[in-house]
Amino acid sequence: NAGVTQTPKFQVLKTGQSMTLQCAQDMNHEYMSWYRQDPGMGLRLIHYSVGAGITDQGEVPNGYNVSRSTTEDFPLRLLSAAPSQTSVYFCASSYSSGNYEQYFGPGTRLTVT
Amino acid sequence: QQPVQSPQAVILREGEDAVINCSSSKALYSVHWYRQKHGEAPVFLMILLKGGEQKGHEKISASFNEKKQQSSLYLTASQLSYSGTYFCGTVIQGAQKLVFGQGTRLTINP
Repeated sequence: NAGVTQTPKFQVLKTGQSMTLQCAQDMNHEYMSWYRQDPGMGLRLIHYSVGAGITDQGEVPNGYNVSRSTTEDFPLRLLSAAPSQTSVYFCASSYSSGNYEQYFGPGTRLTVT
Repeated sequence: QQPVQSPQAVILREGEDAVINCSSSKALYSVHWYRQKHGEAPVFLMILLKGGEQKGHEKISASFNEKKQQSSLYLTASQLSYSGTYFCGTVIQGAQKLVFGQGTRLTINP
């Protein structure tokens, strides 16, 4: 089991560029989610999915898009990068959100200049 | 809808006890606790479910007061390895998303 994998590990973007952060899991988890982590702000939920074809917004969804075409993959798209999106991004997965452990990926450190 | 954690930071000597609190303004289905070391991903500690079911980890335990929508994490006889940032996460009744608090930074000194 690879668990939850994220690519890339590091990325530098210029303002206005777009990119996709990749997340994949091999545990057949239905629930997947994206968080961003900024100093003093904790882990803030961007988007989440309860199964293939089903996504919903979290607490800070503006500027981000997601899709879930398969159970395994949950990519996060930055449409037009802004310096405010400089952060560490974590993807997580589990059988469900309520009563199962969340498995986190190693994170992607994104800098927008 | 982020839960509120307190305190924001704690500094202890090895062997001392600590309590970290987590509260929500909404009726909760479950409370999750995670620990994160610097530069690493959060790691699962335990889940507390509405109805009282609890899972523990080492010398770390937790309580869940459903009436007050509050949870507390207890670390007894702290070890140097307990240092890190602790996050509580909550799932509100009728909702499906897991939302985390802002974290509590725990420092254990020898």
